[in-house]
Amino acid sequence: SQKIEQNSEALNIQEGKTATLTCNYTNYSPAYLQWYRQDPGRGPVFLLLIRENEKEKRKERLKVTFDTTLKQSLFHITASQPADSATYLCGYSGAGSYQLTFGKGTKLSVIP
Amino acid sequence: NAGVMQNPRHLVRRRGQEARLRCSPMKGHSHVYWYRQLPEEGLKFMVYLQKENIIDESGMPKERFSAEFPKEGPSILRIQQVVRGDSAAYFCASSLAPVSSYNEQFFGPGTRLTVL
Repeated sequence: SQKIEQNSEALNIQEGKTATLTCNYTNYSPAYLQWYRQDPGRGPVFLLLIRENEKEKRKERLKVTFDTTLKQSLFHITASQPADSATYLCGYSGAGSYQLTFGKGTKLSVIP
Repeated sequence: NAGVMQNPRHLVRRRGQEARLRCSPMKGHSHVYWYRQLPEEGLKFMVYLQKENIIDESGMPKERFSAEFPKEGPSILRIQQVVRGDSAAYFCASSLAPVSSYNEQFFGPGTRLTVL
């Protein structure tokens, strides 16, 4: 069955650097991947969606890539700020599927 | 435009009682999804509903759990005879069109259920 893994449970990074989070999947390519941010005690907030036929998507300081050969998506936050500290979730959905399957998330801490 | 609303935000029940969780989707959204998040685990899909219809309940436990999305009013996730293992955060999400159409989901703040 399809699995999705976010390699790092936690990532610490210095303010101003680029944070890179990884999402790997097994088996077949998902139709698309979504990235969410979740703060403690809150619901996930949608950030970016990338389709299987797209290589890269950008939104302000955020960038997502999708490599179907490596079966991997990378999520980048450039010029990171302490306010970017949160847990980031990667979720995938297969073609025709009605559900999103999420990884366990990566907790990012940006140190001033 | 109000986002997805869930109530109550916190719910405490004793073992054997019933828990009712409510979700009002974003205005104009007719697709509702329920997820459960256990401590130290990721979000797990439970059920997908459209108005008056359950479309996909493959993530729902076979017993004690049920969901509905009536023509009028919020979507309800109902857990009968709760047990301690039901303690979790339950999130509702809505979308404008089905997730299968490349639509993002918008999540509510969640209901944190504690079973004593």
